[in-house]
Amino acid sequence: GQQVMQIPQYQHVQEGEDFTTYCNSSTTLSNIQWYKQRPGGHPVFLIQLVKSGEVKKQKRLTFQFGEAKKNSSLHITATQTTDVGTYFCAGKGDMRFGAGTRLTVKP
Amino acid sequence: DAGVIQSPRHEVTEMGQEVTLRCKPISGHDYLFWYRQTMMRGLELLIYFNNNVPIDDSGMPEDRFSAKMPNASFSTLKIQPSEPRDSAVYFCASSFSDFSGYTFGSGTRLTVV
Repeated sequence: GQQVMQIPQYQHVQEGEDFTTYCNSSTTLSNIQWYKQRPGGHPVFLIQLVKSGEVKKQKRLTFQFGEAKKNSSLHITATQTTDVGTYFCAGKGDMRFGAGTRLTVKP
Repeated sequence: DAGVIQSPRHEVTEMGQEVTLRCKPISGHDYLFWYRQTMMRGLELLIYFNNNVPIDDSGMPEDRFSAKMPNASFSTLKIQPSEPRDSAVYFCASSFSDFSGYTFGSGTRLTVV
């Protein structure tokens, strides 16, 4: 099946700094989804990207889908302590998740 | 809607015992997924159903694991016999279609001693 790789595995930032996590696939994805899991919680659906080159925004979060539909990114502007958690991408087709990027924010 | 409901929230059992995890998906959702999450292996897909039919069980670790979905509102994941390496958080998720987001339950934290 397709492999979805996420980098970095961990990211520690100072509050107010930006943060970006990347998701890369070895094959073309029909679409990609992003989830956030707070410590001790369960994954929560954030967004789905379908179109090549698509960009979507949710307040301080910006999601992009690559032109070749093999990669995606999540960018958080001016992180806050509420952004702490693990961010996962999931490439639809085989319902498998990337390993996630764990974000910690220092106040 | 109460969301995806899993029970129990926590389960501690002895090695060799049978464990049954339960899930009630969101009404109207056609897809149901079972995932296992550990620090070492992350979030692993075990099996998923579409309209109560198992579609892909290639993630089920071994014959000790079995999953059923007797109707649209209920699914079970059974481990028999359980082993310490089965200790993990088990999530159930459901979705409306193949192209919609998943709604996860709160998970069952399983500890096998």
